[in-house]
Amino acid sequence: NAGVMQNPRHLVRRRGQEARLRCSPMKGHSHVYWYRQLPEEGLKFMVYLQKENIIDESGMPKERFSAEFPKEGPSILRIQQVVRGDSAAYFCASSPPGSPLHFGNGTRLTVT
Amino acid sequence: GESVGLHLPTLSVQEGDNSIINCAYSNSASDYFIWYKQESGKGPQFIIDIRSNMDKRQGQRVTVLLNKTVKHLSLQIAATQPGDSAVYFCAETMGNDYKLSFGAGTTVTVRA
Repeated sequence: NAGVMQNPRHLVRRRGQEARLRCSPMKGHSHVYWYRQLPEEGLKFMVYLQKENIIDESGMPKERFSAEFPKEGPSILRIQQVVRGDSAAYFCASSPPGSPLHFGNGTRLTVT
Repeated sequence: GESVGLHLPTLSVQEGDNSIINCAYSNSASDYFIWYKQESGKGPQFIIDIRSNMDKRQGQRVTVLLNKTVKHLSLQIAATQPGDSAVYFCAETMGNDYKLSFGAGTTVTVRA
C-alpha cells in the first residue's frame, strides 16, 4: 500500500510568491489533515478536510492560507504572498475515522 | 537510559539497554494519547497509542504508561537498537482523534 504522498518534498519561494503543497491520502482514505512543524518544534494542527468539505480549519491562519480537497485529485494547501515566517515543514496525514493519523514525509518550504 | 523530570530534549542510551522517554501533557481533559517517532527528513511514524481509560498498553518492544493523576505519559523501549535513534513526540487530544497537540519532542541517540 502506498502511504500518504506529498509533493514537492522541497519548495523554495521568494517573499511575496505563492506556495502550493499537494497531498494524496492513503488509498481508501477520504479524510485529510494538514499540520505545520516549525524548526525544532512539534507539529501543530492546521485543517481537516473531507472530499469537497472543510470540516475544521481552526488551526489555519486567518489570512493568506487556504486548503481544498476536491472530488478528484490531491488536497492542496495554498499559501499566498509567502513571508519568511512561513518557512516550515508541512505535513499531511490521512486515516479512517477513529484510527491513528498516518503522516506523509512532508514538504519543506523555504522562503527566501 | 531515562529522560527525567518534565522533559529533556535529548536522551543518549547504550544499544541493548532499555529507554524511557517521559512526557508531561498539558490538558487534564485529554482522553487520547499517541507516541510518534520522527526520523530526519521524514514524517512522524505512529508507535503506540493509549486512551484515558487505560494506564498501560504494550506493543512490540514498546510500552506506554499513562498517569492521569500527575498528567504524565511515558514510552518505554526495550533493548534499544540503532534504528530507534530519532525524535520522539507525545501527542494528546480531547474528544476527537485528529486535532493532536504535540510536545516539543525528545531526541534519542543510541550508542553502539
